[in-house]
Amino acid sequence: KAGVTQTPRYLIKTRGQQVTLSCSPISGHRSVSWYQQTPGQGLQFLFEYFSETQRNKGNFPGRFSGRQFSNSRSEMNVSTLELGDSALYLCASSLRGGPTDTQYFGPGTRLTVL
Amino acid sequence: KQEVTQIPAALSVPEGENLVLNCSFTDSAIYNLQWFRQDPGKGLTSLLLIQSSQREQTSGRLNASLDKSSGRSTLYIAASQPGDSATYLCAVNRRGSSNTGKLIFGQGTTLQVKP
Repeated sequence: KAGVTQTPRYLIKTRGQQVTLSCSPISGHRSVSWYQQTPGQGLQFLFEYFSETQRNKGNFPGRFSGRQFSNSRSEMNVSTLELGDSALYLCASSLRGGPTDTQYFGPGTRLTVL
Repeated sequence: KQEVTQIPAALSVPEGENLVLNCSFTDSAIYNLQWFRQDPGKGLTSLLLIQSSQREQTSGRLNASLDKSSGRSTLYIAASQPGDSATYLCAVNRRGSSNTGKLIFGQGTTLQVKP
């Protein structure tokens, strides 16, 4: 079974631009969560999608948004990029995002904002 | 508010040594606790998942324990190898209908196993 895939793997953008990251979950998984990882803050939860609906959201500004498609693939968008948005963005998939589900992570997208 | 702490932040041991990594959390109302491994610049690899009703889980040379009442978990690595060098992260899945798919992570312990 293929694992979680994320594209692109690396991105370089400038301040003020916007960016879209993509995540394809493990086949059969319907929950996709997004996390931001930085050296200072560690791993922080962004949001979770299940069956095309956002079920949960972390404490990030409205510039961070996402969506999920009917095939469970998910995208996250960051508008008006700031230097502090430079991070490794990880997505994770699980069967239902339920309390007994293991979350499986992708390799991440490394975003650098100049 | 759930907080997860991992001590030490870094650890260096000689090959072959048995070692223990620690994870503590402030709120015992959790569904489960998961241990991950992260290699530099890479994603997370799930190692072990312990449900709140369980005391421990084992996989190969790894054994994870959970003491929910004291808010602690340990990851025991037997006969460490240089290939075990990585950052180890623990994460809790906090109880609550509004916490679906949300893991709260510790800052990690970076392990170096010297040949």
